[in-house]
Amino acid sequence: EPEVTQTPSHQVTQMGQEVILRCVPISNHLYFYWYRQILGQKVEFLVSFYNNEISEKSEIFDDQFSVERPDGSNFTLKIRSTKLEDSAMYFCASRRGGEAYEQYFGPGTRLTVT
Amino acid sequence: QQQVKQSPQSLIVQKGGISIINCAYENTAFDYFPWYQQFPGKGPALLIAIRPDVSEKKEGRFTISFNKSAKQFSLHIMDSQPGDSATYFCAAPASGSARQLTFGSGTQLTVLP
Repeated sequence: EPEVTQTPSHQVTQMGQEVILRCVPISNHLYFYWYRQILGQKVEFLVSFYNNEISEKSEIFDDQFSVERPDGSNFTLKIRSTKLEDSAMYFCASRRGGEAYEQYFGPGTRLTVT
Repeated sequence: QQQVKQSPQSLIVQKGGISIINCAYENTAFDYFPWYQQFPGKGPALLIAIRPDVSEKKEGRFTISFNKSAKQFSLHIMDSQPGDSATYFCAAPASGSARQLTFGSGTQLTVLP
């Protein structure tokens, strides 16, 4: 069964450093998403991506964040200058599109900023 | 901004019992209501979902009930098993084309053996 994959599973970085989180969405899906989950809290939407551009973003997704689909398979989230409060699980999700509303999530990347 | 309110925050059920988790939404544009199951250290996994043109959907031991007039939907887990112990999130999509999800706050279910 196709699944969303994410790398790395755990990333430790120092405050102020740049990190890139990687995702491979399900191959025939058209919509891609990043969500985050701070420990013990609910899952929060960051950004959606469709047709090679951002379609929606939340107030969390400020200028420190960017997304890219550098080739036909990868979808990346970059945080330019990490802060302590960026420590969270980051989940990538994808959706086929149209009336198919189902979103499928990857296993997540645990980002720890020290 | 869409709001999805979920209750209870935690739930303890004996094996074989019925687990019931409730969600209420505010935005009537919602047209798809999924439930996600999350085990510790894992991503949310789509469990079951309903469209508001039906009042109930059942898949195995899992049932979603939808009450459009009350703007509520609930998840029922029949014959709850210890393996069902997880965090359950209700969610609803935004009305734009991206359909990004707004999640409830989560319910931590513990099924005692």
